[in-house]
Amino acid sequence: DAEITQSPRHKITETGRQVTLACHQTWNHNNMFWYRQDLGHGLRLIHYSYGVQDTNKGEVSDGYSVSRSNTEDLPLTLESAASSQTSVYFCASSETLLDRGGNGANVLTFGAGSRLTVL
Amino acid sequence: GQNIDQPTEMTATEGAIVQINCTYQTSGFNGLFWYQQHAGEAPTFLSYNVLDGLEEKGRFSSFLSRSKGYSYLLLKELQMKDSASYLCAALSKYGGKLIFGQGTELSVKP
Repeated sequence: DAEITQSPRHKITETGRQVTLACHQTWNHNNMFWYRQDLGHGLRLIHYSYGVQDTNKGEVSDGYSVSRSNTEDLPLTLESAASSQTSVYFCASSETLLDRGGNGANVLTFGAGSRLTVL
Repeated sequence: GQNIDQPTEMTATEGAIVQINCTYQTSGFNGLFWYQQHAGEAPTFLSYNVLDGLEEKGRFSSFLSRSKGYSYLLLKELQMKDSASYLCAALSKYGGKLIFGQGTELSVKP
């Protein structure tokens, strides 16, 4: 079965360290996204990609970077981790769902999440 | 600007009906999604509305009024397993981004 997997599921690191969270999907979806989820803020978009070699900034991209060298993977890198980046990170990929009007919309399928703690 | 509002918490009784409201202001609105998220788990897709009206899927229905910037999720015959956070999300046609509200934490009591 196709799936989307994140690793590690839990990570504790120190301020200033570089951290990479992996996201791998076997749906063959072109669209991939990274969100962070914090109490009081809901899910906020960090970066997204619509295909190989394509990356775009979301609403909270400062301090994060992504790269898309193939369809399956979108790793998220924190260049120098800060305590404010302690959060739960969700990767997602999307497929197109047709509504009853025949319009297409992308439905996100999320990974299980990666809980990152920066001390 | 983009803004999505939904109540923070709701409580309902097993077997009852509950309606979770969501209002949105999104530039280039292109559809409204509802997701369910159990504690410690990933969000899962429930419904999608782009045209005005009601979409029904078993015990769950979702309604959209584009002119009012308003949607609701209706859950019937509530079960204990429906205790979860319900996330309203608006799709922007600019970049196809999905913008989420903070979520409504629903507690179903016996």
